[in-house]
Amino acid sequence: SQTIHQWPATLVQPVGSPLSLECTVEGTSNPNLYWYRQAAGRGLQLLFYSVGIGQISSEVPQNLSASRPQDRQFILSSKKLLLSDSGFYLCAWVPPRAGARYEQYFGPGTRLTVT
Amino acid sequence: AQSVTQPDIHITVSEGASLELRCNYSYGATPYLFWYVQSPGQGLQLLLKYFSGDTLVQGIKGFEAEFKRSQSSFNLRKPSVHWSDAAEYFCAVVRMDSSYKLIFGSGTRLLVRP
Repeated sequence: SQTIHQWPATLVQPVGSPLSLECTVEGTSNPNLYWYRQAAGRGLQLLFYSVGIGQISSEVPQNLSASRPQDRQFILSSKKLLLSDSGFYLCAWVPPRAGARYEQYFGPGTRLTVT
Repeated sequence: AQSVTQPDIHITVSEGASLELRCNYSYGATPYLFWYVQSPGQGLQLLLKYFSGDTLVQGIKGFEAEFKRSQSSFNLRKPSVHWSDAAEYFCAVVRMDSSYKLIFGSGTRLLVRP
């Protein structure tokens, strides 16, 4: 069966420090992968998505970046964190087969607090 | 452009009472629709989905939703709410291009009175 992992679960970082959040999917190959951010009391904002290795699309211009170094690994990064980067970061995946009909499966999330 | 509206930010119901959470979408063709639930500090869990066919779909945890094309709605229902149903609920529609992006509503927070 397929599972999705996010690491770390929680993170407290000072303003100006770098960031690296990791998402990995097991039990599938060539999934679509997505990064979302959920600010406190707000809905989900799509940040990046990837349809394959090295293929990243950005939804919102900001100081974050994403990379997909391996088929089932999706990394969210920043060189210098801002206070406004605080939030709950969720990774999601969509199976590659057409029969899955686009439903996204979410990871457990990473709570980032920038101080 | 596709969009999803959840008009209720908060809803409070008593335990054992029935529940209906509203969702309206904007899309010209038949949409692919979803309801997700998020408990505090957790990821999103898929409750149910609609792609085609029977307009009343059953999901997990005793939830159901009805697709009404004439009203552009996909409301979530549960006949008897349990205290463990307290969570945030998101309605979503798939963007029909190669990205398969989900367009989410802003969410409805459900509070359950004992």
